[in-house]
Amino acid sequence: QVQLQESGPGPVKPAETLSLTCTVSGGSISTYYWGWIRQSPGKGLEWIGYIYSSGSTNYNPSLKSRVTISVDASKNQFSLKLSSVTAADTAIYYCARVYHDSSGYFFDYWGQGTLVTVSS
Amino acid sequence: DIVMTQSPDSLAVSLGERATINCRSSQSVLYSSNNKNYLAWYQQKPGQSPKLLIYWASTRESGVPDRFSGSGSGTDFTLTISGLQAEDVAVYYCQQYYSTPLTFGGGTKVEIK
Repeated sequence: QVQLQESGPGPVKPAETLSLTCTVSGGSISTYYWGWIRQSPGKGLEWIGYIYSSGSTNYNPSLKSRVTISVDASKNQFSLKLSSVTAADTAIYYCARVYHDSSGYFFDYWGQGTLVTVSS
Repeated sequence: DIVMTQSPDSLAVSLGERATINCRSSQSVLYSSNNKNYLAWYQQKPGQSPKLLIYWASTRESGVPDRFSGSGSGTDFTLTISGLQAEDVAVYYCQQYYSTPLTFGGGTKVEIK
């Protein structure tokens, strides 16, 4: 059973960079896509982006200028960096495995989520 | 972007009765070359992360009880819970994966009447 666990340093100040890591257990990170989704009261569920184990990425255009997703296969981890954060980036951040079939991408395993608060 | 609109926002159903949740996409999510609808449904119980229930609009994920069913095509979809159980209290979301950005509906909260 694949399990995902988000981790991060905690609260972030405005204008700083949010950094989160997702550790995958119970399976290899190879040959799969891996994604980030966030959930805030104001905007519901929002897809941030995904990465293939080889490193190719696809980002939500609304966040693309500020987002970087990377993968470290040796550690079975992938990471999210979101720069220049504001209070609007306060949300629960989820990492998830992406089920990929026939050019379709949805999420079949999710982490428990981590609340990131942007506050000075 | 494809906008996903769910209705109702919430509904209360008696135990054992049927719950019906609707999801409409702003453009068709039916891919004509393979006749598949690029639509998934998720269940999010209080304090938990979303859980995949259905994909390709009507294919149940492994382990999902058969009281959950998905239907519809093109732009209009329905998630039906036949015989609501207490453990089905949750918020349900649809998601289109026809094109990026991947987008979700606003959610429908299901409660016990």
